[in-house]
Amino acid sequence: AQSVAQPEDQVNVAEGNPLTVKCTYSVSGNPYLFWYVQYPNRGLQFLLKYITGDNLVKGSYGFEAEFNKSQTSFHLKKPSALVSDSALYFCAVRGGFNKFYFGSGTKLNVKP
Amino acid sequence: NAGVTQTPKFQVLKTGQSMTLQCAQDMNHEYMSWYRQDPGMGLRLIHYSVGAGITDQGEVPNGYNVSRSTTEDFPLRLLSAAPSQTSVYFCASSYSSDRGWEQYFGPGTRLTVT
Repeated sequence: AQSVAQPEDQVNVAEGNPLTVKCTYSVSGNPYLFWYVQYPNRGLQFLLKYITGDNLVKGSYGFEAEFNKSQTSFHLKKPSALVSDSALYFCAVRGGFNKFYFGSGTKLNVKP
Repeated sequence: NAGVTQTPKFQVLKTGQSMTLQCAQDMNHEYMSWYRQDPGMGLRLIHYSVGAGITDQGEVPNGYNVSRSTTEDFPLRLLSAAPSQTSVYFCASSYSSDRGWEQYFGPGTRLTVT
């Protein structure tokens, strides 16, 4: 069965510092991984995805994610956090046809 | 191009009532899905559709029905609402291209069942 896990409910970081939001996955076959962001009272917005190729994927708003096959991880990163990055972040994996499985979400708090 | 739209934004139901959550997309995407979002549980797939006339169950389908008579619309029906169905519901449409899958979400419907 396909699944993703986000081990941290919340991540706190100071503005200007690097941030990492963790995600590990379990899939049969090649993984097809996504990160989404959700601002309060809004739907999910796509940040980036990994299909194949480079292990470092660049996405929207300066975010990037590192795919690590040996550790089955797909951590979201940003070199310098902004207060406006504060939101709920979801990792997801595509399972079967048009089936996406989401992690439980990580709340990112960036403090000035 | 409005993307994915959902109505209503908010709804309060009494236990046992029925209602339909509306979802429409204007991007001509074949694939559409319904999710529910509960605290600490992320999004869970309720039902999905791979085209007009074709639907299938996701992880948590019990208590919900769907139909897909057109490419644009994918309504979700609650047959007899229960407090356990209090949640935020998201509709999504998606497509596959040479750049892979892309999924777009609506703004959500916040449902409370008392």
